[in-house]
Amino acid sequence: RKEVEQDPGPFNVPEGATVAFNCTYSNSASQSFFWYRQDCRKEPKLLMSVYSSGNEDGRFTAQLNRASQYISLLIRDSKLSDSATYLCVVNMNTGFQKLVFGTGTRLLVSP
Amino acid sequence: GAVVSQHPSWVICKSGTSVKIECRSLDFQATTMFWYRQFPKQSLMLMATSNEGSKATYEQGVEKDKFLINHASLTLSTLTVTSAHPEDSSFYICSARVGGNAGELFFGEGSRLTVL
Repeated sequence: RKEVEQDPGPFNVPEGATVAFNCTYSNSASQSFFWYRQDCRKEPKLLMSVYSSGNEDGRFTAQLNRASQYISLLIRDSKLSDSATYLCVVNMNTGFQKLVFGTGTRLLVSP
Repeated sequence: GAVVSQHPSWVICKSGTSVKIECRSLDFQATTMFWYRQFPKQSLMLMATSNEGSKATYEQGVEKDKFLINHASLTLSTLTVTSAHPEDSSFYICSARVGGNAGELFFGEGSRLTVL
């Protein structure tokens, strides 16, 4: 089983749609979680951290389910500019801190 | 916010030559930097953790003699791909974390290496 798994997509949605991505992780001792956004041929940039109680930033909502070992990202009212690859990043505690990246989920928002 | 700068952004070289990539933290000191490699349509794979003033920690399967890492100062880490081959062609990205183990990871712009 991969340490961090994501559906690669692509998810094709029209503008204004709501879309959700899930990400599962294998290490139950993982301590912190992030969603990063990566545009084509660019470096990843932090979209938001994921807190235990869930958190929201504008149109973006992140949630953590420790019991089932997954995190989710919900995007409401999708914009064309949301088209990108969304990377799930897990800070695993394997005796030392290690950030593990998922393969990313590609989102394509069309007019 | 914190800025990490990487240079060069792209490089083309002949097989057998060595290529050096620089990673600088511009407005903060980074005792630890991370080097990743990303092949097309794949996730970022951690290659090594660069530690200022000491040896880098390499991930399993990454040849330390092929990917030389030097972290001589608190603001500069370098990755040298020695005797590069076409299969080393990839997107190499460095990063540094601000704010401890749960802090935000800032990435350099990446360096696209093409080995002919």
